[in-house]
Amino acid sequence: KAGVTQTPRYLIKTRGQQVTLSCSPISGHRSVSWYQQTPGQGLQFLFEYFSETQRNKGNFPGRFSGRQFSNSRSEMNVSTLELGDSALYLCASSSPTGWTGELFFGEGSRLTVL
Amino acid sequence: AQKVTQAQTEISVVEKEDVTLDCVYETRDTTYYLFWYKQPPSGELVFLIRRNSFDEQNEISGRYSWNFQKSTSSFNFTITASQVVDSAVYFCALSDGSGNTGKLIFGQGTTLQVKP
Repeated sequence: KAGVTQTPRYLIKTRGQQVTLSCSPISGHRSVSWYQQTPGQGLQFLFEYFSETQRNKGNFPGRFSGRQFSNSRSEMNVSTLELGDSALYLCASSSPTGWTGELFFGEGSRLTVL
Repeated sequence: AQKVTQAQTEISVVEKEDVTLDCVYETRDTTYYLFWYKQPPSGELVFLIRRNSFDEQNEISGRYSWNFQKSTSSFNFTITASQVVDSAVYFCALSDGSGNTGKLIFGQGTTLQVKP
């Protein structure tokens, strides 16, 4: 079956702009989590959505937001971009049944802020 | 607070050598889960193993083995007879005991380079 799909794969923005990233989970997966990966801070949890509700949230400012649609697809938005927002944004989905802790990750969206 | 430390930033070995990746964690939860993920150059993380806090049995899967010791809060990963395809960044991660969560605390990762 198809894996987790993230779009766009690469994008360049300038400071002050906003960006929306999309994630399509594996079919049947209802949990979607977002992570930010930077060389300095590593992998940091942003938020998790399950059945269109935010279930967990990391320690990021309010400029970072997300949502999940009824088909489990998820989007995250970053407003008023800063240089430090340059990162690889990873989305992961997981199955709601027989939890094993295995997250299925996409290849990420690489954001560069100039 | 939960924390995962991977003290080894980069390791370089020659093919067929054994290599151990260290992971030390901190948590106040009595029930928790530990994970190892592999990140190849393509970027997506790949799940390798999960271990819960009540199961200290070591695990072996082919050339991979894991040693979990609660007494030292460590969950180390050994690759036996390393191969070039093992070159990747390896992450150790921790989640709380609630289960069924996509929230993991990751270590900084260890970059493993296996040279032919």
